Amino acid sequence: GENVEQHPSTLSVQEGDSAVIKCTYSDSASNYFPWYKQELGKGPQLIIDIRSNVGEKKDQRIAVTLNKTAKHFSLHITETQPEDSAVYFCAAARPAGGNEKLTFGTGTRLTIIP
Amino acid sequence: GAVVSQHPSRVICKSGTSVKIECRSLDFQATTMFWYRQFPKQSLMLMATSNEGSKATYEQGVEKDKFLINHASLTLSTLTVTSAHPEDSSFYICSARDPTGRTGELFFGEGSRLTVL
Repeated sequence: GENVEQHPSTLSVQEGDSAVIKCTYSDSASNYFPWYKQELGKGPQLIIDIRSNVGEKKDQRIAVTLNKTAKHFSLHITETQPEDSAVYFCAAARPAGGNEKLTFGTGTRLTIIP
Repeated sequence: GAVVSQHPSRVICKSGTSVKIECRSLDFQATTMFWYRQFPKQSLMLMATSNEGSKATYEQGVEKDKFLINHASLTLSTLTVTSAHPEDSSFYICSARDPTGRTGELFFGEGSRLTVL
């Protein structure tokens, strides 16, 4: 099955600086790669996703890059703000006729230092 | 965006009792819902896939008689933890897929924290 590794497990960044979180996956058939933000005691919220036919996607301060050859994808947050502090999870899914199951990474606890 | 609601958000029960957690898709009909379990400071582990009108598909190692899943309507799936024990204490999260939405995109509930005394 799919195995998703995520690094780093914790990340502290000065407010205004950029944060980068990296994930690798094992299943070459995976074609959907979402990123989720989880605040304490809450469910994950989708912040951005990318599909295998695209190499990069950007949404304001957030961007995701995908390297299918190397089987890794990264989340980039620029101009970080205190409200960006949370746990971030990457995930991967392979096509399954509408029943795609996500395999999650181990999470990164991001702390923005004011 | 689509909204998925879970209830209750927190529940405390005595060992040996059963607890039911509800997951509702509020503005779309979800033919497929997923149930996850998350231990403190750990990732989400898929427990089972719930399909409307059919039996749930459980992941390896998940006891189907322990964690009963019912998906009787297109907007509601329930997870019942039967004869709960302290080791069942965890954060349970559901997600749902909007079949009219983009392939693969899931919407998550807010989670339900179960504490078994």
